[in-house]
Amino acid sequence: SQTIHQWPATLVQPVGSPLSLECTVEGTSNPNLYWYRQAAGRGLQLLFYSVGIGQISSEVPQNLSASRPQDRQFILSSKKLLLSDSGFYLCAWSLAGFSGANVLTFGAGSRLTVL
Amino acid sequence: GQQVMQIPQYQHVQEGEDFTTYCNSSTTLSNIQWYKQRPGGHPVFLIQLVKSGEVKKQKRLTFQFGEAKKNSSLHITATQTTDVGTYFCIPGGANNLFFGTGTRLTVIP
Repeated sequence: SQTIHQWPATLVQPVGSPLSLECTVEGTSNPNLYWYRQAAGRGLQLLFYSVGIGQISSEVPQNLSASRPQDRQFILSSKKLLLSDSGFYLCAWSLAGFSGANVLTFGAGSRLTVL
Repeated sequence: GQQVMQIPQYQHVQEGEDFTTYCNSSTTLSNIQWYKQRPGGHPVFLIQLVKSGEVKKQKRLTFQFGEAKKNSSLHITATQTTDVGTYFCIPGGANNLFFGTGTRLTVIP
């Protein structure tokens, strides 16, 4: 069966510090991978998605970046965090392809507080 | 990507009352998916609707897809405190899947 792991679960970072959140998927190959952010009490904002190694699509301009160094590994980074980067970050995967069955499976999330 | 409007944004109900949330799109959707996010948790897939006029049930939850495939609804019969959370509908069938603000349901015991 497929599983998705996301870490760290929580972190508190000072403004201007770097960030690295990691997500890995097991039990499947060539998944679509996604990073979402959810501000407190708000909906989910799609940040990045990837359909393959090295292929990253950005949905919202920001000081964040994403990388996919391996097939089932997706990393969210920032060189200098802003207060507005605080939120709940969710990684998700879905089956590849355009079959109309792109059901998302989410990781447990990473709660980031920038002070 | 396609996006939908979901209403209401918030709903407070007494335990035992029914609850309905609606999704509307200006364009025809290939399919629509529903997710539930418990407070402090991550979204969990509930169901996918594909066919025009489709109705699916999961215990007290009834999901409908409109005949024109432009709207959908989720109805919960006799809400329980375990139904608390935010319900999202999103148009599927694309590599970039957009979530709206969802409907946040509060159930008052």
